[in-house]
Amino acid sequence: DGGITQSPKYLFRKEGQNVTLSCEQNLNHDAMYWYRQDPGQGLRLIYYSQIVNDFQKGDIAEGYSVSREKKESFPLTVTSAQKNPTAFYLCASSMRGTGRDQPQHFGDGTRLSIL
Amino acid sequence: AQSVTQLGSHVSVSEGALVLLRCNYSSSVPPYLFWYVQYPNQGLQLLLKYTTGATLVKGINGFEAEFKKSETSFHLTKPSAHMSDAAEYFCAVPLNTGFQKLVFGTGTRLLVSP
Repeated sequence: DGGITQSPKYLFRKEGQNVTLSCEQNLNHDAMYWYRQDPGQGLRLIYYSQIVNDFQKGDIAEGYSVSREKKESFPLTVTSAQKNPTAFYLCASSMRGTGRDQPQHFGDGTRLSIL
Repeated sequence: AQSVTQLGSHVSVSEGALVLLRCNYSSSVPPYLFWYVQYPNQGLQLLLKYTTGATLVKGINGFEAEFKKSETSFHLTKPSAHMSDAAEYFCAVPLNTGFQKLVFGTGTRLLVSP
């Protein structure tokens, strides 16, 4: 079955350390997204990518970086510059284009905590 | 700019009772609207979506939502709650850009008691 795979499910970061969250999809979707979820705040967009080798900052990009070298993969790096990284991170994908009726499909998330 | 407001961060119902989760939207253009459900420690799953046409939209797991333009609302309902419905529910609207960026509400946690 097609879907989005996020790994690891749980991740711990030490002070001053960069960590990378993996997101892989086999839905043949062009667009991919990273969200951060905190209790009571809904989902906030970190980065998004409409096509390979191109990505844009979302609403809360500071302290994060991404790459999009393959259509299937959109890894997120949480850098040491992100001072409050503890959150639930969700990756999503959708068909490309201007179709505002296209839903986003989500992975099962990675929970990042500070040691 | 497009936005959604979900009234009530928590809603409690008894098993078998009506479920009503509220969502009001703000949009300068005819909106598309989505409801997603999130079970603990999982991602979001699409429940239903409104695009055009019929204003009463049926989704999975017995949920439905009615688009009311005059009230700028898209409330989610289910006639009879089941214990398995306990989850967090998000309403979302895409921005009016050339790219499908979703704006999510802050979510409503549904609690179902026996």
